[in-house]
Amino acid sequence: GAVVSQHPSRVICKSGTSVKIECRSLDFQATTMFWYRQFPKQSLMLMATSNEGSKATYEQGVEKDKFLINHASLTLSTLTVTSAHPEDSSFYICSVEGQGTETQYFGPGTRLLVL
Amino acid sequence: QKEVEQDPGPLSVPEGAIVSLNCTYSNSAFQYFMWYRQYSRKGPELLMYTYSSGNKEDGRFTAQVDKSSKYISLFIRDSQPSDSATYLCAMMVDKLIFGTGTRLQVFP
Repeated sequence: GAVVSQHPSRVICKSGTSVKIECRSLDFQATTMFWYRQFPKQSLMLMATSNEGSKATYEQGVEKDKFLINHASLTLSTLTVTSAHPEDSSFYICSVEGQGTETQYFGPGTRLLVL
Repeated sequence: QKEVEQDPGPLSVPEGAIVSLNCTYSNSAFQYFMWYRQYSRKGPELLMYTYSSGNKEDGRFTAQVDKSSKYISLFIRDSQPSDSATYLCAMMVDKLIFGTGTRLQVFP
């Protein structure tokens, strides 16, 4: 499998501020990473696909100007929640695609609480 | 109708029991089927991956896919308290679609 890290593991911020979440692929170079959001007692929902060297692809209903994704290198993707509001409070998880497979390996997640 | 249906549980079983977790799906285009385990406040961990109908075994875990019935299962033998977690089925066509997860509790 793949080893994926996320930072920070949890963050509390005030409404209106921006928050950056980092996702790192630790053991191989990932041209594609994925960002998911999970609300309590709900399933993971794909937000966007992050592509190294090109623009991210967003799922329907996800505001690209609010959730900025930057895939700066083959091991790092960042998600910035701009002007966060309480309804953005959620568990954000990234994943990388396994080499040569359709599987995805997930990071430990980042819990965001917007006050 | 959701693309993937999964009973949320909770499912409570004694240690040593055989556990059966199930998902049904509506999209016949799904080609790849996965089971993930998610502990509270953690990211999902891949348990099993298969793309064909039939059974696939890995240790105490067996994944079963029946494409004709659009039904997949995960069996856990000799369940342990450490298996207590939420189990998510997931299916892939052009993106990964998850079930809502079944919460499993194994008590000593």
